[in-house]
Amino acid sequence: AQKVTQAQTEISVVEKEDVTLDCVYETRDTTYYLFWYKQPPSGELVFLIRRNSFDEQNEISGRYSWNFQKSTSSFNFTITASQVVDSAVYFCALRGTGFQKLVFGTGTRLLVSP
Amino acid sequence: DAGVTQSPTHLIKTRGQQVTLRCSPKSGHDTVSWYQQALGQGPQFIFQYYEEEERQRGNFPDRFSGHQFPNYSSELNVNALLLGDSALYLCASSKRDSRNTEAFFGQGTRLTVV
Repeated sequence: AQKVTQAQTEISVVEKEDVTLDCVYETRDTTYYLFWYKQPPSGELVFLIRRNSFDEQNEISGRYSWNFQKSTSSFNFTITASQVVDSAVYFCALRGTGFQKLVFGTGTRLLVSP
Repeated sequence: DAGVTQSPTHLIKTRGQQVTLRCSPKSGHDTVSWYQQALGQGPQFIFQYYEEEERQRGNFPDRFSGHQFPNYSSELNVNALLLGDSALYLCASSKRDSRNTEAFFGQGTRLTVV
């Protein structure tokens, strides 16, 4: 069975601080895909990044960066110099091959105060 | 390019009633998945439609049914509503023949059962 664990329920930071959101996953698939989504209060899930299991290269996109480590089954997300607009719930998700369902973690609520 | 659109945005129903939620996928996408998100939880997979057939189903009772139309749009029907069906219902679309595809989500329909 597939499982995603986001142990951090809520994180509060002050603007300009760096923050890391943790994600640990479980799967028996040898090929799988990992995702991060952002959910603002409006409710829509906004896609941030997809990472394939066969590509462990870390990625940076502006203030966002992702650290994928198969050895520890982790796919952590770091926001550098956080801003108030980053306040949202962030979900890590896992999908196997064959266009299977997305399995989500329980989410981490990030509160960035001015 | 229109993204995933869902209607209605909010809905209040009485226990025992039936409800239909609608979803139009992103242009170019042919697969639609439905998710239920209870308050404070991650989205849970309900089912997925492709070529007008249900292809995968999560752990939801038969009260939850769906349909996909030739234009790829989809409906989610819930019969005999229970108070526990109150949730945000999210529709996601993707393109099936593309291995490197991510799901794009609509803004959701917030269903309240009273």
